Amino acid sequence: SQQGEEDPQALSIQEGENATMNCSYKTSINNLQWYRQNSGRGLVHLILIRSNEREKHSGRLRVTLDTSKKSSSLLITASRAADTASYFCATRGDTGRRALTFGSGTRLQVQP
Amino acid sequence: ETGVTQSPTHLIKTRGQQVTLRCSSQSGHNTVSWYQQALGQGPQFIFQYYREEENGRGNFPPRFSGLQFPNYSSELNVNALELDDSALYLCASRGAGAYEQYFGPGTRLTVT
Repeated sequence: SQQGEEDPQALSIQEGENATMNCSYKTSINNLQWYRQNSGRGLVHLILIRSNEREKHSGRLRVTLDTSKKSSSLLITASRAADTASYFCATRGDTGRRALTFGSGTRLQVQP
Repeated sequence: ETGVTQSPTHLIKTRGQQVTLRCSSQSGHNTVSWYQQALGQGPQFIFQYYREEENGRGNFPPRFSGLQFPNYSSELNVNALELDDSALYLCASRGAGAYEQYFGPGTRLTVT
């Protein structure tokens, strides 16, 4: 079963605009990661935020984490057509195996 | 592109048959995980191998089995294929102590 849900399921914006995606999860976590997937291919790791962190930046990406609400957001600033992809959050639990539990993803379309 | 490769790229099998999918991990990575991704969904964890032993399994039946070899390459075997096994199968590797996973491009399996 999926750990969490991304919101929205689909998002369409114009180049240059910002895109915000949200993720909710259910159990205690050690860290939360965001991955990107281009049209049914392999996933690419974007950024990791640990459970004791509240915000993290990487280039045009900004991730926030609220463990009290069990939620995270991914902000892509100044989007480009090449950002068109599906974005998934994935959590690793704080006990047991290190396998990731993925959400259902947000499909982002950036119009040129 | 990550250093993880998978073969074959596409595969068509008939219900009841058996299939073997292969993965070559990124150099230096000793942990490999396999995921099943149905169309429009996030990846679902199948199992994980560390140093040739399975050390974690998701909610998949025993007809899903795997192997990891001394060079850290791995196989996913699925017996008695069912129509619902049609999906993109992804392998991912990571190094010791790391959280980020590096995904291969996937094998698209179609069961008819």
